[in-house]
Amino acid sequence: AQSVTQLDSHVSVSEGTPVLLRCNYSSSYSPSLFWYVQHPNKGLQLLLKYTSAATLVKGINGFEAEFKKSETSFHLTKPSAHMSDAAEYFCVVSGGTGFQKLVFGTGTRLLVSP
Amino acid sequence: DTGVSQDPRHKITKRGQNVTFRCDPISEHNRLYWYRQTLGQGPEFLTYFQNEAQLEKSRLLSDRFSAERPKGSFSTLEIQRTEQGDSAMYLCASSTHRGQSSGNTIYFGEGSWLTVV
Repeated sequence: AQSVTQLDSHVSVSEGTPVLLRCNYSSSYSPSLFWYVQHPNKGLQLLLKYTSAATLVKGINGFEAEFKKSETSFHLTKPSAHMSDAAEYFCVVSGGTGFQKLVFGTGTRLLVSP
Repeated sequence: DTGVSQDPRHKITKRGQNVTFRCDPISEHNRLYWYRQTLGQGPEFLTYFQNEAQLEKSRLLSDRFSAERPKGSFSTLEIQRTEQGDSAMYLCASSTHRGQSSGNTIYFGEGSWLTVV
């Protein structure tokens, strides 16, 4: 069985300050890990993905995440928050043999203040 | 726009009525997925197709739910005798599938909101 735990339901930052969204995963297999973003009334957009290549993954809009197997973590970071980053962020895991469905965390709402 | 498109975007229906959602995947994507998202939760897997074959269904998909992809292109998700608990956003997604890779990018549509009153 696979699962992800997003450690914070809400994160508040000021514009221009760093962003850290935390995610721990559990997987019986070598996992693929993703971060998706969802803006209000919009679909899910892929920010980045890890698929057993480089452990530091760079995504769109200045986001990056580091896969740490020893800590079973895949935290999402950004050096400087922008107002447009305010949204819901989902950490996602998939993996195993055969069909690999996406298993989503419960989400972290990022709030960015001026 | 060549992304995943869903129709209708919003649907309000009375309890007991049937509803149908349509999904048009990205052209040439052979895999199509349905997920359900309730307020405050992450999306949950419902079912997926590879071409026209429905290969896996979640236990969340009760007998009142049926999904089809008759020609391996668009898909429909029908909910019969709707209940208030069916109120959610129904997300469609698509991807290409090559081998056993679990890293193929899955692209989501904007979802179809269902409210059962």
